[in-house]
Amino acid sequence: SQTIHQWPATLVQPVGSPLSLECTVEGTSNPNLYWYRQAAGRGLQLLFYSVGIGQISSEVPQNLSASRPQDRQFILSSKKLLLSDSGFYLCAWTGGNEKLFFGSGTQLSVL
Amino acid sequence: SQKIEQNSEALNIQEGKTATLTCNYTNYSPAYLQWYRQDPGRGPVFLLLIRENEKEKRKERLKVTFDTTLKQSLFHITASQPADSATYLCALPPAGGYQKVTFGIGTKLQVIP
Repeated sequence: SQTIHQWPATLVQPVGSPLSLECTVEGTSNPNLYWYRQAAGRGLQLLFYSVGIGQISSEVPQNLSASRPQDRQFILSSKKLLLSDSGFYLCAWTGGNEKLFFGSGTQLSVL
Repeated sequence: SQKIEQNSEALNIQEGKTATLTCNYTNYSPAYLQWYRQDPGRGPVFLLLIRENEKEKRKERLKVTFDTTLKQSLFHITASQPADSATYLCALPPAGGYQKVTFGIGTKLQVIP
């Protein structure tokens, strides 16, 4: 069966520091991969999605970037974090149908 | 762009009653609509999908309706239990595809024993 791994679960970073969040999917090939952010009291905001290796679509202008170096690996990065980057980051995948399967999320606090 | 409206206020109901959550949308006609459940500190979990040509869909104690004229979906939980307490999210695909799903803010349901 398919599983999605996302780490770390929690992260506290100072303003201006770099960020790297990793997500991997097992048990499927060529998934569509997504990064969402959920700020406190707000809905899920789509940040990036990818339909294949090296193919990244950005939905929101920001100081974040995403990369897909392997078929089942999706990485969210930042060179310098801002206070406004705090939130709950979720990785998700679809296997060619409409259902989204989410990881367990990373709670990021930028201080 | 499409806009999704869910009652962001919490809904409190007594155990055993039917909970009804509402999702309204504007500006387009989606091919389908999804409902997800999210527990605190966890990722959303897919519950049900209903297509534009379906009026109603059921799964155990869950029922979803889809009124494309009113641009509204209703999500019902019958015989509600405290374990049903969670935030329920409505989600819609963009026109012509499914890659960029948009989520509503969600409605927090509290089932009181």
